[in-house]
Parts: sequence; structure tokens; C-alpha cells
Amino acid sequence: GIQVEQSPPDLILQEGANSTLRCNFSDSVNNLQWFHQNPWGQLINLFYIPSGTKQNGRLSATTVATERYSLLYISSSQTTDSGVYFCAVETDSWGKLQFGAGTQVVVTP
Amino acid sequence: GAVVSQHPSRVICKSGTSVKIECRSLDFQATTMFWYRQFPKKSLMLMATSNEGSKATYEQGVEKDKFLINHASLTLSTLTVTSAHPEDSSFYICSARVWGLSYEQYFGPGTRLTVT
Repeated sequence: GIQVEQSPPDLILQEGANSTLRCNFSDSVNNLQWFHQNPWGQLINLFYIPSGTKQNGRLSATTVATERYSLLYISSSQTTDSGVYFCAVETDSWGKLQFGAGTQVVVTP
Repeated sequence: GAVVSQHPSRVICKSGTSVKIECRSLDFQATTMFWYRQFPKKSLMLMATSNEGSKATYEQGVEKDKFLINHASLTLSTLTVTSAHPEDSSFYICSARVWGLSYEQYFGPGTRLTVT
């Protein structure tokens, strides 16, 4: 099956810093989504981005499907950005998602 | 935006009993829903794909007689953990796929199951 690798596994940031999270996948995919899992376990949709670049406030994402990777940028990080960030790729026409292991982000005041 | 709810959010049960978890799409119809399991500090593992009006499709290694899935309507899927044991304790999360211009998935808030 498709392998999804996220890096780095852990990230500690000072409030106000910028960061880049990476997601590599081993085969072509139908779609890709980025999620933020908050401390209560809820997955929050960040981006649905099979290709191209999208921006939403301080967050932006770029997927280069031909090179099988996606990047999530966090700018001017805030403590509320803490949590686990997952990328997930869609592996079949039914919409099955294969998740990466996640990046644990801690933003300190 | 699309909202998915789960009930209960937290349940504690005794070993040998069965527990039912409900997953509802509140503002859209979901012909396909998914059930995931997440262990502490781990990623989400897909357990099964639930299609309205038909039998669920289980991932390799998931016992279909242990984890019964029913998708009786376009807005409701249920997961029943039968004869639960402590090793079934976990965080269970459902998702629903929105069909249309995009096929984005939205996730419920999760159900934390503890089997004593």
C-alpha cells in the first residue's frame, strides 16, 4: 500500500515563529488533506489540496503531486496552533484515507 | 461547513458487554462513512468503510464479528463493539465523505472507550 511519511515528528516553536511541515507519499494519489488534531481529539480540516497552493489565514499548503509531496506552512505561530498535524492521502475511489504518523507541534509563549 | 457528530463522547463498560457508537452527518447526506481507531500518541488506523444500504468493508486484520457496522440511513452509521475486552479500549473516530465538487472528508469528535 501507499506509504505516507511526515517530518519532522516533533516540533517546538516559540510564539511568533514560522515553520514548515512535510508530507511525502510513495505513489500517485487522488486527493490529499491536512488536519489539525486538537488536545481533545477532534480533527479539524485545514486543507483539501490534491495539487497546487492554498492559503487560509496564517496557514498555507502546497502539494506537488508529480513529485509526491505536500508542505504545510505555519506563519506567526500561536499557542493555539499546538497539537498534532496529520496529512492523509486518498487511496481509492471510495475515499479511503491513509494517514501519516503526524507531526506533534508545541508552541511556547 | 459539514458537521459530523458522534455519541457517546466517552463510555466505560465492563468486560464482556457490548457498546454501540453512533456517527451522524448533521447537515449533509453521506453515502460513505469510515471508522477509524487511534491509540495514544499514534496515527489513525482505518477499520472499515461503511456504505449506506450495504455491508461494510473491513480492513485486513479487523474482526467483523467483533466490530459490527450498520449504515441504515444516509446520515447515520453505527459501530457496535461486541463482547468488549480491555484490549478494545481506544479512541474511535468516524468520518463522512461529502460527494460533490470535492470529496473532502469530515471527522466526528471521537468516542473514548474504556473497557474495565
